[in-house]
Amino acid sequence: QVQLVQSGAEVKKPGASVKVSCKASGYTFTSYGISWVRQAPGQGLEWMGWISAYNGNTNYAQKLQGRVTMTTDTSTSTAYMELRSLRSDDTAVYYCAGLSIAVAGTYYYYYMDVWGKGTTVTVSS
Amino acid sequence: IQLTQSPSSLSASVGDRVTITCRASQGISSYLAWYQQKPGKAPKLLIYAASTLQSGVPSRFSGSGSGTDFTLTISSLQPEDFATYYCQQLNSYPPGFTFGPGTKVDIK
Repeated sequence: QVQLVQSGAEVKKPGASVKVSCKASGYTFTSYGISWVRQAPGQGLEWMGWISAYNGNTNYAQKLQGRVTMTTDTSTSTAYMELRSLRSDDTAVYYCAGLSIAVAGTYYYYYMDVWGKGTTVTVSS
Repeated sequence: IQLTQSPSSLSASVGDRVTITCRASQGISSYLAWYQQKPGKAPKLLIYAASTLQSGVPSRFSGSGSGTDFTLTISSLQPEDFATYYCQQLNSYPPGFTFGPGTKVDIK
């Protein structure tokens, strides 16, 4: 079955970096994209960006530009999200999600249909 | 593109018909998805392309709308439907797949 398995919880100090992994199985990794979404405690969902596993093209949320890098390793079907210069308000659960596309004529509809279980990142001094 | 949802929360009973609205700050055609999230769990896709039901999702869920105004309807609320619901715009330009703030549905 299609699944995304994320790396374990992390505790980081302010100013440090964190790199979260997301290993895909059950489908052709390069056929889809991987999106990253985070959720601070008690808050809503925040879209962080996505990467095409096919060609490595990325699209980051403007708010995180310059601090986030998303990459893939097609040899291991794994996506990575690195966030630098961590602050306390980066404390959140970080999710990866498969980004699929439905084509209807000339329209391309994206959607996120398979999700990892989440990785808790805590930033604290 | 900003999304607003209304109401932010609602209380309903099993069997009720529930409607949640999502409004976009500019037209996004039908590039909208709906997700359900339960506490401590990852979101679950319900609807994409504004009205297409994801495989395996019960038919009591439906989506409608186009442009700036969208609706998620649960025709007969079931106990397992108590959760928070998010809309998400997935318009490719300008880039950025933003989420709405969420609507929490709880038991009356």
